[in-house]
Amino acid sequence: EIVLTQSPATLSLSPGERATLSCRASQSVSTYVAWYQQKPGQAPRLLIYDASNRATGIPARFSGSGSGTDFTLTISSLEPEDVAVYYCQQRSNWYAFGQGTKLEIK
Amino acid sequence: EVQLLESGGGLVQPGGSLRLSCTASGFTFSSYTLNWVRQAPGKGLESVSAITGNGGSTYYADSVKGRFTISRDNSKNTLYLQMNNLGAEDTAVYYCAKDRSAMGHQSHDFWGQGTLVTVSS
Repeated sequence: EIVLTQSPATLSLSPGERATLSCRASQSVSTYVAWYQQKPGQAPRLLIYDASNRATGIPARFSGSGSGTDFTLTISSLEPEDVAVYYCQQRSNWYAFGQGTKLEIK
Repeated sequence: EVQLLESGGGLVQPGGSLRLSCTASGFTFSSYTLNWVRQAPGKGLESVSAITGNGGSTYYADSVKGRFTISRDNSKNTLYLQMNNLGAEDTAVYYCAKDRSAMGHQSHDFWGQGTLVTVSS
């Protein structure tokens, strides 16, 4: 079973700042990692697939990187509407999600 | 426009059964693997089950294996999840989600709005 650990659990930043969210896998998952954004009361939304590819319609301020066991989601300049919980997911062995990072805007 | 609409959730007693449905539109239904993903109240996401486009292969999380059955009717563009012997740990919002590409076992680019299943006496 592959376990994904996200950090930090909560991130509080100001509009315009850069956000860096981390996801670490318990074993290598190559680049088979996706990132999702979930706002309160809504379904998850795919942001990034296969570590670094933006999904259709996702703003360019969202970017992903990493391979093997360490992955990063970066939001280059925070907007108020980016308040959400962000999940990483691996598809190397079945599926698994990280526990989520809650992003707050100061 | 891709749309996924779940139904069938509700309150069920422990040990009971429920069948969820997900009706899809806006894409070639039979070409894509479809998934059920659940989220317990205030918790994270858990992949529950998946089924390939032609229905020939199915996959289950260990937590539901032997109790849940996924199926699809490509003539009706509908995905199902039969849930038996339900326990409190199955209480969650259940989402259906479409694979991003027709290659199978991909990330999920479209999700339904979810249907709530509550297991309680």
